[in-house]
This record gives sequence, structure tokens and C-alpha cells, in this order.
Amino acid sequence: KAGVTQTPRYLIKTRGQQVTLSCSPISGHRSVSWYQQTPGQGLQFLFEYFSETQRNKGNFPGRFSGRQFSNSRSEMNVSTLELGDSALYLCASSLGPGGIGSTLHFGNGTRLTVT
Amino acid sequence: ILNVEQSPQSLHVQEGDSTNFTCSFPSSNFYALHWYRWETAKSPEALFVMTLNGDEKKKGRISATLNTKEGYSYLYIKGSQPEDSATYLCAFDGAAGNKLTFGGGTRVLVKP
Repeated sequence: KAGVTQTPRYLIKTRGQQVTLSCSPISGHRSVSWYQQTPGQGLQFLFEYFSETQRNKGNFPGRFSGRQFSNSRSEMNVSTLELGDSALYLCASSLGPGGIGSTLHFGNGTRLTVT
Repeated sequence: ILNVEQSPQSLHVQEGDSTNFTCSFPSSNFYALHWYRWETAKSPEALFVMTLNGDEKKKGRISATLNTKEGYSYLYIKGSQPEDSATYLCAFDGAAGNKLTFGGGTRVLVKP
């Protein structure tokens, strides 16, 4: 079974640009969540989608948005990039909420550098 | 803002020694506590999902205990090996779907 796939692996953008990251979950997983990892802050929750609906959102500005498609694939968009958006963005899929079903399976991440 | 704390932040262990470290989390609105292992250049890998007070889970030489009433979980590594070197993350699930709150991690380095 293929794991969680994130593309691209690396991205360099300049301030003010926008970026779209993609995540393909494990087949059969309907929940996709996104996390930002920075050295000082650890893993911070961005948002979670289940069956194309955003169920939860973290404390990030509106520049961060996402969506989920009918095949469970998800995209995350960051507009008007700032230097502080430089981070590793991890996507994780799971069967759904609750107990073992909520175990997260992570992708390898997208390393975004904003210059 | 939920407070999930892990201590210590880092740990150096001699090969063959056993070690343990802590995750503390809110004792209210508890739904589940996750443990993940994150090796360098890899993605985080699930170790355990614990839901019941008093739960004990084991995977090879790694085990974990859970106390939901006082809000802590211990992770134990028995007979540490160099391949156990990784950052160990705990994550609190407060019954809000998959909105996990992660601790800062305990970085374990096993020296041969």
C-alpha cells in the first residue's frame, strides 16, 4: 500500500508570492490534516479535512487555506508569503477520528523556504 | 491553548541502557494520547494510540503507560540501541477530531 505522498519536496519562493502544496493520502483514508514544523514551535496544527469538509482549523492567519477533493487528495495554499512561513509542512492521513482510526500516517513533508 | 509538555528536551543514552521520558497533558477533555517516533530525514511514525487510563502499550523494546487522571504518559526504551535515536513526540487528542496538539518532543541520542 502506497504511503502518504507530498509534492513538491522542496520549494523556494519569495515574499509576497503564493504557494500550493499537495498531499495524496493512503488509499481508503478519508481524513487529511496538515501541520507546520518550525525549529522554535514544534509541530503546529493547521487544519483537518474529512470527506471534503474542513472539520478543524488551527490558529493560523487566513492566508493559510486548504481544500480536499472527492478522492481525498488535499491541497494547502499559502498566499502573500512571509519570511516566517519558512517551515516544513507535513500532511498526515488517517482512517478517521477516534482510537486507532485516528493514528496519523505522515508524508515526508514539503520544505518551504521564503526569501 | 492546550499545554502539552515533554521532558526532558533531549537525552543521551549509552547503548544497552534503559531510559524513560515524560509527556504531560491536560487531564480534562481527554480522548486519546498518541506517541510518534521521528527519525532524521524520515517522516513521523506512529508508535501508540492510548485511550484508557492505566493503559500500557508495548512494541518491541518500547513501551508506554498512561495516567489520564493526573495527565501524564511515560515512554520507556529498554536496552537502547543506536537505531532508537530519534525524536519522540506525544500528541494530545482532546475529542476534537484529529486536531492533535503535539508536545515539543524528546530527542534521544543513543551512543554506541
